[in-house]
This record gives sequence, C-alpha cells and structure tokens, in this order.
Amino acid sequence: NAGVMQNPRHLVRRRGQEARLRCSPMKGHSHVYWYRQLPEEGLKFMVYLQKENIIDESGMPKERFSAEFPKEGPSILRIQQVVRGDSAAYFCASSPSGSNEQFFGPGTRLTVL
Amino acid sequence: DAKTTQPTSMDCAEGRAANLPCNHSTISGNEYVYWYRQIHSQGPQYIIHGLKNNETNEMASLIITEDRKSSTLILPHATLRDTAVYYCIVRVLGTGGFKTIFGAGTRLFVKA
Repeated sequence: NAGVMQNPRHLVRRRGQEARLRCSPMKGHSHVYWYRQLPEEGLKFMVYLQKENIIDESGMPKERFSAEFPKEGPSILRIQQVVRGDSAAYFCASSPSGSNEQFFGPGTRLTVL
Repeated sequence: DAKTTQPTSMDCAEGRAANLPCNHSTISGNEYVYWYRQIHSQGPQYIIHGLKNNETNEMASLIITEDRKSSTLILPHATLRDTAVYYCIVRVLGTGGFKTIFGAGTRLFVKA
C-alpha cells in the first residue's frame, strides 16, 4: 500500500502566477488534510476535506486559496496570484473513515520568486 | 484541543535514552496524547499515542502521569537518525477526522 503521495515535490512560481498542488491519499482513505509550514515554524492546519466536501477550512486564507477533493482523482490545493509570502512547504495528510490517525505525505515545497 | 508545552530543544548522546517531556495540564478526560516527529524537510511521522496507560511500540515508550497532566516520550537508544523535531499533541479520538494542532515542538539533537 503506497503512502500519501504529493506532487510536485518542488514548485517554483513567479509572483502573480497560479500554483496547483496535488495530493493522492492512501488507498481507502477518504479524509484529506492540508497543512502549511513556513521556514523554521511548526505546521499550521489549513483545510480538512472528505470526498467532494470541505469539512473545515478555518485555517485557509480568505482570498486566493482554494481546495477540492473530487470524487475521482487527487485533492488539489490551488493558490492564485501567488506572492512571496506563500513560499512554504505544504503537507497533505490522509486518514481512513472512522479514525483520526493521519498519515503525512512528503510535502510540496513552493518557492515564489 | 488542549494546549501543550514542550522544551524548545534538547541534546542526547548517541546510544543513550532520550526523554522528551510534555505538559498538558488542561487535558480533558477523553483526549489522547499523540507524539509525532519531523525529520528535516520530511512530512511528520507518527510515533505513538496513549490515553492513560503507558504505551510501548517498536519506536518508543510513552509514560503518562497518573493525573494525565504531563507525559514523557522515551527513545530507549537514540541514534543520529533520531535527530528531529518532536511534537506532542492532545486531541479527541473520534470518528471522522480532526485537524491536528501542532505546537513548536522540541528539537532533539542526537550527538555522537
């Protein structure tokens, strides 16, 4: 059983461009979480999704950020019009239904030039 | 979720036991203590969790005080590869999912 997969592992964007980060949860997991980690800081919760539904987006910035977890395919974290402050590592975690044990992916490191 | 307090950093000699403390004085009766670690640039890795009894697995032991207001993660024979940031988290174990609130953690340095 493959672990949580994230791609790309590294993403470079210029200011104003869009960033799309993908997360494929572990097989059989229907819950996905996104976290952001700024340099030298701990992980900060962003959003929690189940298939086709956003359950908790209390950690998402109000503008430019959106997330989805469609019925088919990976979860997508989308950042529009990126700014330098968006540079961070973005981690995805998944868990099966009925458990809150979370398995983390390797992260996507976003650099905004 | 209850707040946790951990030392900012600790050192440990290779081969010795590493004892990482965590205070969670406001923990509720139904909240579990979880430990994760994050090795440089990698995703957090689950280590162990417990409610009130001491727990042991192949990675570590978890000692929870009788009043549950604090706990200690023990790595019995630390290696250089155990150098990482260790996060102590308390949360309710329930159905569905819950966001995990990570604090600053303890940066453990294992030295040869």
